[in-house]
Amino acid sequence: DAGVIQSPRHEVTEMGQEVTLRCKPISGHDYLFWYRQTMMRGLELLIYFNNNVPIDDSGMPEDRFSAKMPNASFSTLKIQPSEPRDSAVYFCASSFGTGTEAFFGQGTRLTVV
Amino acid sequence: QKEVEQNSGPLSVPEGAIASLNCTYSDRGSQSFFWYRQYSGKSPELIMFIYSNGDKEDGRFTAQLNKASQYVSLLIRDSQPSDSATYLCAVNIRGGNKLTFGTGTQLKVEL
Repeated sequence: DAGVIQSPRHEVTEMGQEVTLRCKPISGHDYLFWYRQTMMRGLELLIYFNNNVPIDDSGMPEDRFSAKMPNASFSTLKIQPSEPRDSAVYFCASSFGTGTEAFFGQGTRLTVV
Repeated sequence: QKEVEQNSGPLSVPEGAIASLNCTYSDRGSQSFFWYRQYSGKSPELIMFIYSNGDKEDGRFTAQLNKASQYVSLLIRDSQPSDSATYLCAVNIRGGNKLTFGTGTQLKVEL
């Protein structure tokens, strides 16, 4: 398996623009997680899905953030409108079963100017 | 109190020494514990997981879990320069399905 695939790897956008990050989890995994990593706050969980259903979105910082998982092989994280403080590395991860390890994608480095 | 706490370091050890990385967690109901390694500019990669009290060894790595003290550690024997990275402790808080990460400890192995 190719692992968790994220796109784009890098994104530079202007404040106010919409940003969409994409993720393809490992085939057969039933959990998908979106994390954000910054120097100040470390790795924070934004939202996670189980069998394509959002289970916990308590980490989503504001209504500007939204996430979807229309099928088992694809998820998006959207920021609209984007702000400079959203600049971070966004990771998608997937896992199989309860309480098991998560496998991370390569991340998307987002810069909002 | 943070749910998962680590000393940010940096922790510097000479090549060939044992590096000891520590992590504490807040919830006694936590059941699964993971150590990830993250090189600069890269994504976290799993090194080890541990579910039961005691030690678990895998090559040069040993994970230690003490649920009574809410403490989990990672020992790296015969440290190599290639071990220089940030080590992240992750816990399934309250036995749930999401991993909560500590802020990581930066390890530097010096020649």
